[in-house]
Amino acid sequence: DQQVKQNSPSLSVQEGRISILNCDYTNSMFDYFLWYKKYPAEGPTFLISISSIKDKNEDGRFTVFLNKSAKHLSLHIVPSQPGDSAVYFCAASVLSGNTGKLIFGQGTTLQVKP
Amino acid sequence: ETGVTQSPTHLIKTRGQQVTLRCSSQSGHNTVSWYQQALGQGPQFIFQYYREEENGRGNFPPRFSGLQFPNYSSELNVNALELDDSALYLCASSLEYRQETQYFGPGTRLLVL
Repeated sequence: DQQVKQNSPSLSVQEGRISILNCDYTNSMFDYFLWYKKYPAEGPTFLISISSIKDKNEDGRFTVFLNKSAKHLSLHIVPSQPGDSAVYFCAASVLSGNTGKLIFGQGTTLQVKP
Repeated sequence: ETGVTQSPTHLIKTRGQQVTLRCSSQSGHNTVSWYQQALGQGPQFIFQYYREEENGRGNFPPRFSGLQFPNYSSELNVNALELDDSALYLCASSLEYRQETQYFGPGTRLLVL
């Protein structure tokens, strides 16, 4: 049962334009959502997060939007740069008893063309 | 501030063997989580250690076991390796288990032949 889904395996955008990466979830008990970026041969790097009590969080070129009623979140990158080309993972955080774990989507490969 | 480090970077084993992977957590972090990432998939939670105790486990069999040491570094042990264990194994540390943000190491790529 995939509780966090990224339905687009890949996305290609032109440099300078907006990149929008999407993520859907099924469990309303998730209390925090995070985006990670992963380059080949490296571990995931934390990018930005949002609490379930908020609907928007912004950090420089990166903005995450949360729509709780639709159980949907998105990551906007403006403007996109070639260095943003990577795999992006959406993750949901859930505190279950004494365990805080992350549940990841399958990832979306973003290619930013110069 | 030192980030999360893992060793070795790559490993090749044969079916039935045992393997130990190592992780040093970020300075000041007392919680370590291990994840398995198969090709084309997102990381899957294996288990978490908090102050040297296992405090949560994902859907992985008992042949996956771990340890956390007083300095909060950690080991992941896998016994009786199977071909499907071939994956990238990621270690992540956090300030404590309630902390949502986990910081990942570069991973160990395990190939089981």
